[in-house]
Parts: sequence; C-alpha cells; structure tokens
Amino acid sequence: SAVISQKPSRDICQRGTSLTIQCQVDSQVTMMFWYRQQPGQSLTLIATANQGSEATYESGFVIDKFPISRPNLTFSTLTVSNMSPEDSSIYLCSVARGGETQYFGPGTRLLVL
Amino acid sequence: QKEVEQNSGPLSVPEGAIASLNCTYSDRGSQSFFWYRQYSGKSPELIMFIYSNGDKEDGRFTAQLNKASQYVSLLIRDSQPSDSATYLCAVNMERAGTASKLTFGTGTRLQVTL
Repeated sequence: SAVISQKPSRDICQRGTSLTIQCQVDSQVTMMFWYRQQPGQSLTLIATANQGSEATYESGFVIDKFPISRPNLTFSTLTVSNMSPEDSSIYLCSVARGGETQYFGPGTRLLVL
Repeated sequence: QKEVEQNSGPLSVPEGAIASLNCTYSDRGSQSFFWYRQYSGKSPELIMFIYSNGDKEDGRFTAQLNKASQYVSLLIRDSQPSDSATYLCAVNMERAGTASKLTFGTGTRLQVTL
C-alpha cells in the first residue's frame, strides 16, 4: 500500500468561493484518482489525474468546475470551483501503483454554506 | 449503464456468526473485483480483491466470484463487533490490464451484535 495524505482534512466554505484540495503520496504511483462521496452515498469517480497532461473526466464532471493538476508522480490537486451547497461532500483521492488495486487517502470533508 | 448492486442493509449478525455480503454487476466482461470496508467517518480500506472464479481466503475473510452469474460475495467468519462497518463492492469494468477505473456499489452496512 501507500501512505496518502490529504489537505485540508475538512473545511467550511461560503458559496461562490473555491477550495483546492491536495493529495500527497509517500512514493511514486502510476495512477491517481479523485472521487466524491455525497452524504449517505457511495463513491463516484470525478476524474483520473494524469501526470503532465489534462485530467480525464467522467460523465457529469467538467474541468471548469473541478480543475485538476498532477505535476509529478506523488502529488495532485483538485479544486472545487464556484461552490454551492450541493458540493458539500467528502472528496477522496486514491492511488494505484502499476496494478488495478486502489488505495484511498483519508478524505476531505467539505461543507458549503 | 454499467452498475454494481448491493443490498444496503443493515445486515445484523450475532458475534461469532458468519456474515455474508453479496454484490451483483451488470458488465459481463468485468475482470477484477474488490471489497472495501468503510467505518463511519473514515475512508475506504481495501480488504480483498479477486480476479478468478472460485474462492479466495485471507484470514477470516473469503471472497467468492462467479462470473457466469455476475456475482461476487464476501464472507466474514467469526464476526466481531469491530467488523461493524459499511462494505463496498467495487468492480473494474475496463479491459484487463488497463488503468483501473472502479465502479462502486452503494455498500452494505453490517452490524455485529453482542
């Protein structure tokens, strides 16, 4: 497995603002992903963070709302832009090291007022 | 639409009993299957993965896969109160060997009672 950290662990934000979430891994990984888990629901994949190129977004998620960066093999950021209360959720990064198994970070709990 | 289905529960079992968690998936071409445990307020934690038909055992946990029936299950033997959590089934519906893009079920909440 890998040691994964996320910052911030939680935040309360005002609508219309943006929040950038960081995901740091202790060693190089092949794949990094961003998920959303809305209250009482399962995980939904937002996008795959590609190193050195644009992220690959899933249906229903767009770059203008969720810009993602991945400058190297151990770090990625997800920005939640122009937030509304509907964006209140847990945001999780996950990593895979060459294989298909994904390991999750501790998550960022976001509340938008 | 590719789907993974689980009974939301709660599934209540007495301490020491076997808990049986089930999952069905829609894409017959799916190649790899994962079980995650998620405690309340925590992130998912990998328990097991299985690729081949049949059983795979790891300690008190056994994963069972039947690709013909598009069915995967997780058995927990000698259930403990610490096993009380939500169990998420995840399926890689991409081609084998491609980047893992997991589709998650909604999870089954397990309660182990004293």
